[in-house]
Amino acid sequence: DAKTTQPTSMDCAEGRAANLPCNHSTISGNEYVYWYRQIHSQGPQYIIHGLKNNETNEMASLIITEDRKSSTLILPHATLRDTAVYYCIVRVANYGGATNKLIFGTGTLLAVQP
Amino acid sequence: DGGITQSPKYLFRKEGQNVTLSCEQNLNHDAMYWYRQDPGQGLRLIYYSQIVNDFQKGDIAEGYSVSREKKESFPLTVTSAQKNPTAFYLCASSNPGLAGSYNEQFFGPGTRLTVL
Repeated sequence: DAKTTQPTSMDCAEGRAANLPCNHSTISGNEYVYWYRQIHSQGPQYIIHGLKNNETNEMASLIITEDRKSSTLILPHATLRDTAVYYCIVRVANYGGATNKLIFGTGTLLAVQP
Repeated sequence: DGGITQSPKYLFRKEGQNVTLSCEQNLNHDAMYWYRQDPGQGLRLIYYSQIVNDFQKGDIAEGYSVSREKKESFPLTVTSAQKNPTAFYLCASSNPGLAGSYNEQFFGPGTRLTVL
């Protein structure tokens, strides 16, 4: 599985957009980019995933560069409740019944400031 | 409501005792996982199970054991052989789904185990 690199921590003002970068320069063509987040002392929560096109859902947007070597998770209007550790993970797509392990790094601690 | 439950939320044990952590899911998922998290660290995979009566070692299985007798249950036993058992333990489940689909894992609230 490709290794990911994320900043250790970031700050963001409440109401502003939070842009969380992730480098995955060794990503393979069949590997997806996943984002999860973990609020303190809770289980991680799935946010979004993508392969090569930009993706958007009710929680966030995912921008993947054309060469797929990096991506950015965007929280358009950060709130205090978005303070959490954000994990960027790359993993191959599921091949029909196989269980795919997710490898979590240390992630980025996003602190949303009032 | 569908989800994953882990109990208890906090657990204290004396050194040398085995302890079993509970994980139950009503999402009808085939696959279940156990992770361990230490302060300031990411999650590390202990064991996972793709189907009932089958399970595989993860990256740090030594000192742990599991069983999967029912689809909805995947208990984890922390044995006395685990040298540093104090940690936050997370259970997750997923449905492998169709080929090419993504692998969203749903996590429980976790159990914080402290060995005194």
